[in-house]
Amino acid sequence: DAGVIQSPRHEVTEMGQEVTLRCKPISGHNSLFWYRQTMMRGLELLIYFNNNVPIDDSGMPEDRFSAKMPNASFSTLKIQPSEPRDSAVYFCASSLSAPPNQPQHFGDGTRLSIL
Amino acid sequence: AQTVTQSQPEMSVQEAETVTLSCTYDTSESDYYLFWYKQPPSRQMILVIRQEAYKQQNATENRFSVNFQKAAKSFSLKISDSQLGDAAMYFCAFHTNAGKSTFGDGTTLTVKP
Repeated sequence: DAGVIQSPRHEVTEMGQEVTLRCKPISGHNSLFWYRQTMMRGLELLIYFNNNVPIDDSGMPEDRFSAKMPNASFSTLKIQPSEPRDSAVYFCASSLSAPPNQPQHFGDGTRLSIL
Repeated sequence: AQTVTQSQPEMSVQEAETVTLSCTYDTSESDYYLFWYKQPPSRQMILVIRQEAYKQQNATENRFSVNFQKAAKSFSLKISDSQLGDAAMYFCAFHTNAGKSTFGDGTTLTVKP
């Protein structure tokens, strides 16, 4: 079975540019999560979708960040405009149903570097 | 607010030996689940073991077992017969009914041959 697929694997761009990260969850999974991982702050939950609807976006750092899930098989995390402090590894994860009892399956992450 | 604390940034174990990674958490929720995830250098997060808070019996998965002390809000991971492939960063995580997921800062485990 294909796991969670994220693209791109690496992204390097200049500050001020728009960045779009993509995620394809595991087929049949109803919940999708976006995380950010940095050395300073560890793994932080940014937003959580259930059945394509955003349930909790309290972890989204600021208005420059937005996430969408137009259908059950695709989600995007967009940063506009990007800043150097956004540099991190961004993970997408999906689970079979709403938390809390289902484990989350993570993608390989996108390493984002903002110059 | 939920918090997860992993007090050991780094741990080291000799191959074939046993190691215990500690995790404590704080929550006002009564229904929740606890997980240990492993992140090898490849970066992919992999589920190691899961514990339901309402179960008193400690979860076991092959060489991996937990010591869940609900009153103490403690959830440690024991790895028996450590193997070189166990080397990774291990994250303790807490999931609530409301969909909130909180991860600890991670413990880097080194396995010495």
